[in-house]
Amino acid sequence: GAVVSQHPSRVICKSGTSVKIECRSLDFQATTMFWYRQFPKQSLMLMATSNEGSKATYEQGVEKDKFLINHASLTLSTLTVTSAHPEDSSFYICSAREAGGGTDTQYFGPGTRLTVL
Amino acid sequence: GNSVTQMEGPVTLSEEAFLTINCTYTATGYPSLFWYVQYPGEGLQLLLKATKADDKGSNKGFEATYRKETTSFHLEKGSVQVSDSAVYFCALSESGGYNKLIFGAGTRLAVHP
Repeated sequence: GAVVSQHPSRVICKSGTSVKIECRSLDFQATTMFWYRQFPKQSLMLMATSNEGSKATYEQGVEKDKFLINHASLTLSTLTVTSAHPEDSSFYICSAREAGGGTDTQYFGPGTRLTVL
Repeated sequence: GNSVTQMEGPVTLSEEAFLTINCTYTATGYPSLFWYVQYPGEGLQLLLKATKADDKGSNKGFEATYRKETTSFHLEKGSVQVSDSAVYFCALSESGGYNKLIFGAGTRLAVHP
């Protein structure tokens, strides 16, 4: 089956630092990847849609200068949380949709738990 | 806009009980419908999907039927196990564009021996 990985799985950082999270599709190519944020015991909130070779599309209310997204290849998208603050602490999950498969199924990564001290 | 409404949890059942988690949706066009499951501390796993009216998705004993007339996609399982304890999310995929997923709030299921 389609496998999506995320790295790191858990990160703790000091306030003001930047953190990069990687999302990789391991056995398929993904023209589109999605980044979500999940607060404790809540549903997933879509942050942005990432397309290979073009700028990401951000959802309303998401700061694009704070959450930098790069989708440099068909198997890798990165989310960088710049100048992180405690309120950015959350569970970040990516998903990927297979390229050219005619399917709208998204495969999710295992998530990255970010804690900002 | 498109939306998904799930029954509130938590749902607490004894092992081997019958499970139903209700899900209804509002959408324009012809969305695909999904159930995802999230185990503690993990990401989401696709449980099943249906792409058109009257389709039935099934996996691991779980089933859901795409009912266009009632705009529903209820999740059922005849006999739950302790290992089914997790949070279940109903979602729809908006037709066209990037096929963004719209999620319900999630329903926590706890199964006791």
